[in-house]
Amino acid sequence: AQSVTQLGSHVSVSEGALVLLRCNYSSSVPPYLFWYVQYPNQGLQLLLKYTSAATLVKGINGFEAEFKKSETSFHLTKPSAHMSDAAEYFCAVTPEGAAGNKLTFGGGTRVLVKP
Amino acid sequence: EPEVTQTPSHQVTQMGQEVILRCVPISNHLYFYWYRQILGQKVEFLVSFYNNEISEKSEIFDDQFSVERPDGSNFTLKIRSTKLEDSAMYFCASSESGLSGNTIYFGEGSWLTVV
Repeated sequence: AQSVTQLGSHVSVSEGALVLLRCNYSSSVPPYLFWYVQYPNQGLQLLLKYTSAATLVKGINGFEAEFKKSETSFHLTKPSAHMSDAAEYFCAVTPEGAAGNKLTFGGGTRVLVKP
Repeated sequence: EPEVTQTPSHQVTQMGQEVILRCVPISNHLYFYWYRQILGQKVEFLVSFYNNEISEKSEIFDDQFSVERPDGSNFTLKIRSTKLEDSAMYFCASSESGLSGNTIYFGEGSWLTVV
């Protein structure tokens, strides 16, 4: 069975500071990994995904994430936070090669950006 | 950009009443999904649907729930007799294929409150 753990349900950063959101997964087979963002009163929007190509994945809005198999991690970063980054971020996993495209989500991390 | 649309955005219903949540998936997508998020909890998979059949369902998706594609564009989730614990945000989603790793696009959600 697969699972996803996001460390920290809330993160507060200053505008211009580094954003680091942690995601660790457990999966019995190599996974595909995703980060989704949910802005207030909106749906889940894909930020980026890892599908066994390059381990450093660049996404929208300046975000990137690095897949580290040895650490079973897929942490999300952005060098400089903007006020518009205030949102909830979800890490999700689906096993590679599985029949059926079913996402297992982490608990989410809500990001607050301070001016 | 094509998007998944959901109606209603918010519904309040009395316990025991039937509720139908509606979704219009992205037009060239073949796989459809419902997920839900109870307040303060993780986003959870409910069901996937392909070729007018349920392809996978979770243990949450019991006999109280049903899905249907009544025409060429709509995809619905019916809850037959709502319970208080059905209060949640329900997300519809779609993807081009059911292969693991294929991007799943989410709607903005329907917030269901059962009183």
